[in-house]
Amino acid sequence: ETGVTQTPRHLVMGMTNKKSLKCEQHLGHNAMYWYKQSAKKPLELMFVYNFKEQTENNSVPSRFSPECPNSSHLFLHLHTLQPEDSALYLCASSGGLAGLTDTQYFGPGTRLTVL
Amino acid sequence: GQQVMQIPQYQHVQEGEDFTTYCNSSTTLSNIQWYKQRPGGHPVFLIQLVKSGEVKKQKRLTFQFGEAKKNSSLHITATQTTDVGTYFCAGASNSGYALNFGKGTSLLVTP
Repeated sequence: ETGVTQTPRHLVMGMTNKKSLKCEQHLGHNAMYWYKQSAKKPLELMFVYNFKEQTENNSVPSRFSPECPNSSHLFLHLHTLQPEDSALYLCASSGGLAGLTDTQYFGPGTRLTVL
Repeated sequence: GQQVMQIPQYQHVQEGEDFTTYCNSSTTLSNIQWYKQRPGGHPVFLIQLVKSGEVKKQKRLTFQFGEAKKNSSLHITATQTTDVGTYFCAGASNSGYALNFGKGTSLLVTP
């Protein structure tokens, strides 16, 4: 275990549903990340939070809404998704003096299927 | 912006053969990191290279960072079936942005 947990591990949802993905890190890190991993585009960085502040949003559609209430928790709220949003959603955290360029520790991911 | 290119995209080898994946950046990197993702798993950190021309070894794995700090390679000697997975390089710049991951090289090893 890397100290980063994600729930749920698997999620199937319809296009009209609203769901949330949760990530929690127990490593005392200050930065947390959401990635989308699909067969066509491996490891797309979606959002970056550093000290609870969003520092990067890589042109992600508004149907994905992140929330970072504190340095240990990160959420990804989903609504009116499309079938092409089906993918593995990975959370990661990093910390230390190097900040955002420090080693990243990934959670196990949430396998999302949109019907 | 900074881009990290990784080749090849796929590699299929017989067990015992060597394997190399290459990573190239459009800009100078402050450090480069390598990750491995097993099938069905998540990326796991392998190593970080910081110095120009640096070479590090982990058993059968040899990692190199180019003199100009724009390219890197991972070489596996005498592959084993346990080496199967996708290997990602990730470049870090001094711009303050997060790591930039390459698209990965998927390695398949057949016995």
